[in-house]
Amino acid sequence: QAQLVESGGTVVQPERSLRLTCAASQFLFSSFAMHWVRQAPGKGLEWVAGTSYDANTEYYADSVKGRFTITRDNSADTLYLQMNSLRPEDTALYYCARDWLTSGNFDLWGRGTLVTVSS
Amino acid sequence: ETILTQSPATLSLSPGERATLSCRASQRLTTSLGWYQQKPGQAPRLLIYDASNRATGIPGRFSGGGSGTDFTLTISSLEPEDFAVYYCQERSSFGGGTRVEIK
Repeated sequence: QAQLVESGGTVVQPERSLRLTCAASQFLFSSFAMHWVRQAPGKGLEWVAGTSYDANTEYYADSVKGRFTITRDNSADTLYLQMNSLRPEDTALYYCARDWLTSGNFDLWGRGTLVTVSS
Repeated sequence: ETILTQSPATLSLSPGERATLSCRASQRLTTSLGWYQQKPGQAPRLLIYDASNRATGIPGRFSGGGSGTDFTLTISSLEPEDFAVYYCQERSSFGGGTRVEIK
């Protein structure tokens, strides 16, 4: 069945960079808008960034604008999140999620990858 | 940006009881309101999209309603597996969540 698998999370020092990857399978990736959503330990959900199905449009939360970049490779069924100038408050479990029928609601989620920003 | 406020923060109920969760938007919504369930150690699961449409595979005891700025998620008769945290969401905004716990 359709699946998303995130990777790339690790412990990283403040101000360093990290790239997360989300591999999609068993669905037509190039037809769906995609998003990154994060969850700090013990906290609620926070939308981070989104991209249109064709990568022509990107959206960012104010908290990451100018530091994070969302990209996608439709030929490889893969979504990315480039994170620069990381801060301790970026520590979270990062999920990738599929946009259902361009509704802006997310019907398919990965299991997440943990990013810890600490010196 | 729309702010979504969920209430109550915690709902203590027994299996078989009806649960009613509220989500209030800071401005009238023009796009789809969704509801999610999250259990410990798991990713969120979409229950309801566009305020009232059940997602694929979601049991009929879950229903969504409302429009404009006020929305509800109703679980008609709580099953043991329904005790979890529930979030509402509209595009880039998530509510703070309602925890449904066993009384």
